[in-house]
Parts: sequence; C-alpha cells; structure tokens
Amino acid sequence: DAKTTQPNSMESNEEEPVHLPCNHSTISGTDYIHWYRQLPSQGPEYVIHGLTSNVNNRMASLAIAEDRKSSTLILHRATLRDAAVYYCILRDFDFGNEKLTFGTGTRLTIIP
Amino acid sequence: DTGVSQNPRHKITKRGQNVTFRCDPISEHNRLYWYRQTLGQGPEFLTYFQNEAQLEKSRLLSDRFSAERPKGSFSTLEIQRTEQGDSAMYLCASSPIRGATYEQYFGPGTRLTVT
Repeated sequence: DAKTTQPNSMESNEEEPVHLPCNHSTISGTDYIHWYRQLPSQGPEYVIHGLTSNVNNRMASLAIAEDRKSSTLILHRATLRDAAVYYCILRDFDFGNEKLTFGTGTRLTIIP
Repeated sequence: DTGVSQNPRHKITKRGQNVTFRCDPISEHNRLYWYRQTLGQGPEFLTYFQNEAQLEKSRLLSDRFSAERPKGSFSTLEIQRTEQGDSAMYLCASSPIRGATYEQYFGPGTRLTVT
C-alpha cells in the first residue's frame, strides 16, 4: 500500500473550520483516498473517500489536489465531538486488496 | 441492527492462559476483519473473512492466534498461551461487499491486558 504522511497533531477552535492535510506522493492511479477517525475509546469510523474529484458528505468535505499527491479533509464547523485521531488511508480498488493500512494519524484537539 | 458488537469489552488474563474474543458483524455483511491496536498506534490488520472463508492472514498472526467464522456469521479470535506483548485492543470490522469504495464498520473493540 502507498504511504501517507500526516501531521501528528493539530488544534482548532470550536465552531471554526478545520483543514487536515495528508500527503501521498506515491499514490497510484487506482488508489482511493479514504479518511477514518477514531474517537476516544471507540473503534474507527468512516468519514469520507474519493478518487479524483472533491467530495462532500454530511460529516466533511474532501479536497483532492489535481495531481492527487495530497488531499485535505475539511470539517466545516468543528465541535468538541470532532476531537479524535484522523487517519488518511489509500486503498487500491483492486478487489484483491481488502485491508485498511492505518498510519499514526493526526490527533485533533478542539479548544472550547 | 445497532452495528458491530464485540465481547467481552475488557479481558484481563495471566500470561500463558488462552483467551477467546467474539465479534458479531452487521447482519448480511459478508466481509469480516480483525485488527489489533496498541497504544499510540493505528490499527494493524490481522485477518479477514468472506463469509466463512479466511482469505488473508497477516504475518502478525502467529501460530498462537486462530480466527474462525463458522457459518459466515459471527467470528471468534483465539489467542493461545498469551504473552505480555499480546496486550492490545482487538478490533473487529465488517463490510457489506468487497472493494475499495466500501467502508468498513468497526466495533468498539476488546481490550486485552496480559499480566
């Protein structure tokens, strides 16, 4: 699996937007970009994924660079409940590759 | 259905003992995964099933570990002769279908402490 690089930690003020960066310079053409987050004492939960175009859902937006070598997860209005570790993961859409390969992620702290 | 469930949530055992964990996936999810997570690290893949067939095992899954999914429903993960290095959170996930466009749904995990 291609490797991703994320900052170890970030802080943001409550009710402000948060931009979580991810670098994946060795991404291949068949890799999807997935984001999961893990709240304290819980299992990871899916946030969003994309291939080439920017994506929006009820939780977040995903902005993908034109060359696909980086992406940014955007939380439009952070709440205290968004404090978690956020993982950026590449998944090859080859059906033979099923596992998620997690890095150490970005620990997001929300300041009230 | 309320999601993936795992039991027990916590297990404390003495070194050398055997332990077994259970995972109940979301109904009709034919893919089931096991991961292990140690403190400060992201989850690491252990193995996965499609229905009752175990299709991939990580090299992390030593011969002391065995996983089953009889009848393609719930799954069990057994660790024999536990060691202190086995202390970790064991996470189970399920997915309705294979492929990189489908998310995995995780359970709350079983925290194992080996004393």
